[in-house]
Amino acid sequence: GAGVSQSPSNKVTEKGKDVELRCDPISGHTALYWYRQSLGQGLEFLIYFQGNSAPDKSGLPSDRFSAERTGGSVSTLTIQRTQQEDSAVYLCASSLLRGGEQFFGPGTRLTVL
Amino acid sequence: AQSVAQPEDQVNVAEGNPLTVKCTYSVSGNPYLFWYVQYPNRGLQFLLKYITGDNLVKGSYGFEAEFNKSQTSFHLKKPSALVSDSALYFCAVRDEKKDTGRRALTFGSGTRLQVQP
Repeated sequence: GAGVSQSPSNKVTEKGKDVELRCDPISGHTALYWYRQSLGQGLEFLIYFQGNSAPDKSGLPSDRFSAERTGGSVSTLTIQRTQQEDSAVYLCASSLLRGGEQFFGPGTRLTVL
Repeated sequence: AQSVAQPEDQVNVAEGNPLTVKCTYSVSGNPYLFWYVQYPNRGLQFLLKYITGDNLVKGSYGFEAEFNKSQTSFHLKKPSALVSDSALYFCAVRDEKKDTGRRALTFGSGTRLQVQP
């Protein structure tokens, strides 16, 4: 079956521009997570969605970051006014149940020039 | 807060030899521990998890991990390494936030395993 997919796989943008990253979780998975993988910070949790509940945004590093999940499925992570320190690989994961095993997508590599 | 530590940035082992990738944890309450592997330009792949039960957990690709409560460790092992095992390995602990129900993973810094032919 299809796994978690993310698009684009690579994104190069200029400092100050906005970017949108997309995640398609595994069908039927109710929990969705965004993580960021960077050289300096390792793997960090960003935001969590569970069903129709309000998201847990406690990992977002600044108010330039936001995310939404439409219809309990596809999620979009938006970074406004990108900075060079936003350069990282953004990983999405989904799980069938709230505490179940997380399946990761291939990630989006973001480079901010 | 929950945390895990991977004390080795890199582990080198010859093909056919046993391998160990170390992980120690610090949690309040019962630990829920995971190992993931990352191949170049790929996402993370789940290897195994410890929730409760037997201290020796068997996972994918012949890997296993031993949960040791007294040493707060969860080392990843394989009896005979393959060149294709060369990758980046992450230990993780589930970090639960009760008010939101979030069960995100807190990862270690990663250990690069290099298996030489």
